Formats: sequence, C-alpha cells, structure tokens
Amino acid sequence: EDQVTQSPEALRLQEGESSSLNCSYTVSGLRGLFWYRQDPGKGPEFLFTLYSAGEEKEKERLKATLTKKESFLHITAPKPEDSATYLCAVQARSGTSYGKLTFGQGTILTVHP
Amino acid sequence: DSGVTQTPKHLITATGQRVTLRCSPRSGDLSVYWYQQSLDQGLQFLIQYYNGEERAKGNILERFSAQQFPDLHSELNLSSLELGDSALYFCASSVGASSNEQFFGPGTRLTVL
Repeated sequence: EDQVTQSPEALRLQEGESSSLNCSYTVSGLRGLFWYRQDPGKGPEFLFTLYSAGEEKEKERLKATLTKKESFLHITAPKPEDSATYLCAVQARSGTSYGKLTFGQGTILTVHP
Repeated sequence: DSGVTQTPKHLITATGQRVTLRCSPRSGDLSVYWYQQSLDQGLQFLIQYYNGEERAKGNILERFSAQQFPDLHSELNLSSLELGDSALYFCASSVGASSNEQFFGPGTRLTVL
C-alpha cells in the first residue's frame, strides 16, 4: 500500500528564517509526486509536480526536490503569508490506481513577523 | 480560484438522511475526483470518473455513490448518514485520466447531527 509521511507535523519560523519540509514515501512505482498548499477551510492549491529523482522545481520562495525515497520543500526567507498547511501526495503507476493521489498528513507552517 | 466549483458550501443534516454534493470541473478537464478530509484521517481518495466512466475507486463506503454526467459535472451521493461522515468533501479535476495535476474546488463542509 502506498504511504506518505510528512515531517515535522508543525513548524514555526521567524520571517526570513529559511527551512525545509520533508516528505517520505513508499509507492509501487512512482508516477508523480505533488506538493499542495492548503489554507484553513479552503481547497488544496497546486504548487509542484515532480516525476523523477534529481528533479527540482521553483516558485517564488519555494523549491521542491525529489530523491528515490523522499521529497523536500525548501522555503527561503519566508513571509507571514507563506503560513499554511503544506501537503505532499504521490501517484502510483499501478494499473488500477489511475489518478488516485495518496496524501500525507501535512506540515502546518506558521511564519511570525 | 482553481476554476472548479462545488455546491453547496455548507450542509447540515441529521443522521440517517441522504445528501447530494455537486461539482463542476474546470473547462476542458475530463477527470473528476472526490476526496474526503477529516481531522483524524487527512485527505482520503474516494473515487475518480473520466469522461463519464468510473476509473478508480478508493475506500468509498457502500452508502456513498457518485456519477459523472454528459456535461462532465459530477455528483456525490451520501446516504444513511452517520456522525462520522462529518467532514470536508473536495472535488478535483484534471485534463487526463492520470499523471496530470489535479485542481481542487473549495469543498463542501458536511455536518451530521
């Protein structure tokens, strides 16, 4: 069964203090790894898709990287508006799963001014 | 705004009742997915439809059913509701059947009293 574990569960940063979120996964053949941001009471907002080990993607202060067993979301010089829950999800290659995403429990990021 | 719409935003009902949640995908997207998010279980995949046909099934209860109509909108029917069914229900859509980014709607918050 596909599994996704995110750490830490919660992270408090001062504005400008860079850090990383971790996503460890086990999947029967990775089709894609996805990062989403979710604000309270709202739907997840798509950030990145990574397909193969060594791949990196950047968007503003966020950079996502992928290895064969984990992904990192690096946040450089965060601002209070980056406060949200960050979700990691995997999609498997196995025949019957098609588009199913398996999500981790998320990391709650709080950035203090 | 992801372009995915869901109605209603909030739903309050009693145990034993039946409700219908509605989702309209982004223009051009053929796949619709349903997810359930609760505090203890996180985001859980329920079911996927692609161009009107069921494509993948997750841990969806037998009391729950879904369909996708010719205009590509989808409905999730929940019957014989129990207190434990209280959760946020999200719809997502993507262009293809798999390995595409999924864009989430704002969700329907269901409260069963």
